[in-house]
Amino acid sequence: DAKTTQPTSMDCAEGRAANLPCNHSTISGNEYVYWYRQIHSQGPQYIIHGLKNNETNEMASLIITEDRKSSTLILPHATLRDTAVYYCIVRGPGAGTALIFGKGTTLSVSS
Amino acid sequence: EAGVAQSPRYKIIEKRQSVAFWCNPISGHATLYWYQQILGQGPKLLIQFQNNGVVDDSQLPKDRFSAERLKGVDSTLKIQPAKLEDSAVYLCASSFARSGVYTFGSGTRLTVV
Repeated sequence: DAKTTQPTSMDCAEGRAANLPCNHSTISGNEYVYWYRQIHSQGPQYIIHGLKNNETNEMASLIITEDRKSSTLILPHATLRDTAVYYCIVRGPGAGTALIFGKGTTLSVSS
Repeated sequence: EAGVAQSPRYKIIEKRQSVAFWCNPISGHATLYWYQQILGQGPKLLIQFQNNGVVDDSQLPKDRFSAERLKGVDSTLKIQPAKLEDSAVYLCASSFARSGVYTFGSGTRLTVV
């Protein structure tokens, strides 16, 4: 079973920031938080990951709370092409720990 | 760099027939995964390979599904015989060593009628 809880769906206006929350209250000290997204008819795409510090790349920012029990993925200026299902995944290190996907959050960006 | 290649893109078969899917991972990626995604759900791991060895196949229905990764590069996933509930998108992904950063292919959409 997935170790994370995400809202089923969210809406965002084009050009505004999209803030996608994720709860992972049972996360262990060595587990990372990964975010992927899946645009319709495509395979999932890696976005970002982090352990305890906030992370930023060209796609998004990841904010992890100090107690690490929740995180927020931020798309700073959402576009219509960001409409997708967003998955928050907790994963430990090691070769045997494959990504386990939940149902994710369906983000709809509208003009 | 080239992405993860999968074929065919679509396949329609009758129940009880057999089908095979092919995956070519990113060059140098030692770890390869097969996922099954039923409509409306997240991808479900079927099998994980490290080079040509199986790391995890606990979710693979072994009475009808089989997978191999010869020479630690390409992989094939086979279903024999297919059931109606096997209708899904079959996704292949690869990663470098133990990384959690996966690259997915576009998948094969299987319809069993």
